[in-house]
Amino acid sequence: AQSVTQLGSHVSVSEGALVLLRCNYSSSVPPYLFWYVQYPNQGLQLLLKYTTGATLVKGINGFEAEFKKSETSFHLTKPSAHMSDAAEYFCAVSDRRAGANSKLTFGKGITLSVRP
Amino acid sequence: NAGVTQTPKFQVLKTGQSMTLQCAQDMNHNSMYWYRQDPGMGLRLIYYSASEGTTDKGEVPNGYNVSRLNKREFSLRLESAAPSQTSVYFCASSVGNRAHEQYFGPGTRLTVT
Repeated sequence: AQSVTQLGSHVSVSEGALVLLRCNYSSSVPPYLFWYVQYPNQGLQLLLKYTTGATLVKGINGFEAEFKKSETSFHLTKPSAHMSDAAEYFCAVSDRRAGANSKLTFGKGITLSVRP
Repeated sequence: NAGVTQTPKFQVLKTGQSMTLQCAQDMNHNSMYWYRQDPGMGLRLIYYSASEGTTDKGEVPNGYNVSRLNKREFSLRLESAAPSQTSVYFCASSVGNRAHEQYFGPGTRLTVT
């Protein structure tokens, strides 16, 4: 069984400050890891994903995340927050061995607010 | 490409009424999914279809049925709506391979009174 823990439900940063959103996962097999973003009244869209290879993954809008197996973590960062980054962020995990029957398990999400 | 489309966008039902949420994708994806999103709960999988002609239960299937009508369309039916089914429903699709990047529709906001 897989699970994702996103500590806290809300993070507030100033414009231009570092964004750090934490994600820890639990998986009995090597995982695929994802970050999705949801802007108000919209569906989710993929920010970035880790499948294989380089553990530092770059995504859209200047976000990146690092897969740390020893810490079972996949934290999302952005060096300088922009007002347009205000949204809800979801970390998700899937089982790389399940093939077409694999499913995503989502964390509860973190709301990011950006102060002017 | 419209991507993943969902109808309706909003719906209000009375307890006991039935309705079907429609989802279609034009990306030739094999796999399709239905989620519900509730505050503080993240997204929970209701049902999914790994390929045309197959459907499987997810984490919270009770009170729902699905139909994979063809490769493009995957509908979700509430036979007898309950207030606990008040939620935002998202449909998603993916190619169905290992990487499992899912593409989401805009959602249906359902209120059951």
